[in-house]
Amino acid sequence: DAGITQSPRHKVTETGTPVTLRCHQTENHRYMYWYRQDPGHGLRLIHYSYGVKDTDKGEVSDGYSVSRSKTEDFLLTLESATSSQTSVYFCATQMSQGDSNQPQHFGDGTRLSIL
Amino acid sequence: QQPVQSPQAVILREGEDAVINCSSSKALYSVHWYRQKHGEAPVFLMILLKGGEQKGHEKISASFNEKKQQSSLYLTASQLSYSGTYFCGTKSEGTDSWGKLQFGAGTQVVVTP
Repeated sequence: DAGITQSPRHKVTETGTPVTLRCHQTENHRYMYWYRQDPGHGLRLIHYSYGVKDTDKGEVSDGYSVSRSKTEDFLLTLESATSSQTSVYFCATQMSQGDSNQPQHFGDGTRLSIL
Repeated sequence: QQPVQSPQAVILREGEDAVINCSSSKALYSVHWYRQKHGEAPVFLMILLKGGEQKGHEKISASFNEKKQQSSLYLTASQLSYSGTYFCGTKSEGTDSWGKLQFGAGTQVVVTP
């Protein structure tokens, strides 16, 4: 496995509060992704990174921001959490140049509940 | 655009076979297959590339039909351990070189004794 650690694993917070989720990898993979998973929608891409300080938006990026100051860490921030952001969040990494021949490796997920 | 998976769910008895389809409205370059057990992370099964050969993983195999823009996952002689939700992730032709994937909504597979 790619040695991916997500923290926290579970979090409950209130609407309007800021929340930061962390993804840490030990495999020196260049590409990192944040997904959210909701029933009936599968995995939807929030943001991704193709290198240190290089990030871009995915299909459901509104209300989220990311940062990547080191190869091993990719942070996802909800600036002002809303109930619609209650979800399970997965981080994934991918080696090489984002080659479609390479699989994505997933962390164990963070279950986030916003009340 | 999200690929369409069918069926949404299937219930099998041990030893039975099943087919899961993943269809796209766009020309596909590659298809990834993952399996996720309840409460766990998705786990990679295999990748199929346009023009590539059929792949296999244990008694799970997959094919890529370029004419239909569809990939099919075959669960043969199913085992209890095959239970889970299967996702396909697709990359369309002509998109940028990043490894971004579009995932289907998933197919829930339940294998009973």
